[in-house]
Amino acid sequence: DTAVSQTPKYLVTQMGNDKSIKCEQNLGHDTMYWYKQDSKKFLKIMFSYNNKELIINETVPNRFSPKSPDKAHLNLHINSLELGDSAVYFCASGGYSGNTIYFGEGSWLTVV
Amino acid sequence: TQLLEQSPQFLSIQEGENLTVYCNSSSVFSSLQWYRQEPGEGPVLLVTVVTGGEVKKLKRLTFQFGDARKDSSLHITAAQPGDTGLYLCAGPPYNQGGKLIFGQGTELSVKP
Repeated sequence: DTAVSQTPKYLVTQMGNDKSIKCEQNLGHDTMYWYKQDSKKFLKIMFSYNNKELIINETVPNRFSPKSPDKAHLNLHINSLELGDSAVYFCASGGYSGNTIYFGEGSWLTVV
Repeated sequence: TQLLEQSPQFLSIQEGENLTVYCNSSSVFSSLQWYRQEPGEGPVLLVTVVTGGEVKKLKRLTFQFGDARKDSSLHITAAQPGDTGLYLCAGPPYNQGGKLIFGQGTELSVKP
């Protein structure tokens, strides 16, 4: 069974569209994260939720809205997509301390 | 400001060679993790080091945490083509729980 699963894996969309990426974890962790990996492979945290509550919001444009219906799910909705949003988005889960987290396989977003 | 500096950023070696990757910071970390990411996949945790001076071994990989908990190194002995990938160090900054920050990564290519 996949511990952290996210869908879709690949997404190609036009500028201005709205899209969502879904994430689910079956590890029983309380904390979930969204990370963005840019073209230079740098991983940067976007959000973290602990038990459905937003804990970290790293100055991400408000076009990005995470939603956590329960502690096993953290979805990412992006409004009015821009070219610069093209990246790989990783969902992850782990303990609140952030010591060790487990990543999903990534969602490759291309905005054209 | 990059809190975790990894070096080198790119490394191309022949099978059988040894190599060391460094992860340095001016800040103290409660722990440091090393991840390996293969193309098209998410980062996979290799090891977590917690105690200053700690050394952990994973087959041909040796991980060390600096005495002051500000740096870490990854040494690979007799590298093999299967070691090819992106190596990332990461850690939760001291007193910033719930957040894991990453170094820029080291892209390793081991040629047969």
